[in-house]
Amino acid sequence: TQLLEQSPQFLSIQEGENLTVYCNSSSVFSSLQWYRQEPGEGPVLLVTVVTGGEVKKLKRLTFQFGDARKDSSLHITAAQPGDTGLYLCAGALWEGGSEKLVFGKGTKLTVNP
Amino acid sequence: NAGVTQTPKFQVLKTGQSMTLQCAQDMNHEYMSWYRQDPGMGLRLIHYSVGAGITDQGEVPNGYNVSRSTTEDFPLRLLSAAPSQTSVYFCASSYGRTYNEQFFGPGTRLTVL
Repeated sequence: TQLLEQSPQFLSIQEGENLTVYCNSSSVFSSLQWYRQEPGEGPVLLVTVVTGGEVKKLKRLTFQFGDARKDSSLHITAAQPGDTGLYLCAGALWEGGSEKLVFGKGTKLTVNP
Repeated sequence: NAGVTQTPKFQVLKTGQSMTLQCAQDMNHEYMSWYRQDPGMGLRLIHYSVGAGITDQGEVPNGYNVSRSTTEDFPLRLLSAAPSQTSVYFCASSYGRTYNEQFFGPGTRLTVL
């Protein structure tokens, strides 16, 4: 069972378009992270959201944590080719007496010039 | 600081061979982990360590061994490689708790024939 469902799995858009990527779960997370991964490299952290309803902005990227801390979204305004990459969400939750970080399968974004 | 380094970058093994994937970090992070990344499967945790001398299993530990004799190093051993272990392997480290920012290495692409 996949704890974190990401959608869409693939997204191909034109430069200048807006897009939203979703990360959903039935579990409650203490925090949620978003990473971006470029081909041949490891993931790099973009943002961490901790409080239900929290909104964080990073230039053209807007991240939101759901009120119930079960879901999150990433919105990109006026996408650019440099935004191309694999976007991963990762949620922290307590399970079996210890805290663990679980990753979604990722959304592969391609922004065409 | 070099951050998290991994060697080798690429490796081809025959079924049944053994090898060690090296991982080192120079950030004095207590927490280190190994993930494998397969198409459509996201990042899956293999083993992790919360400090020198302490290791534990993750989601997919079978066929892999780890040890943590120093804070800096966290090698991953494949005892008898199988084609199912063909994957990209990432080492990550973080300061303090598991839900803190994960710093990933560049990855090792392993092919088992």
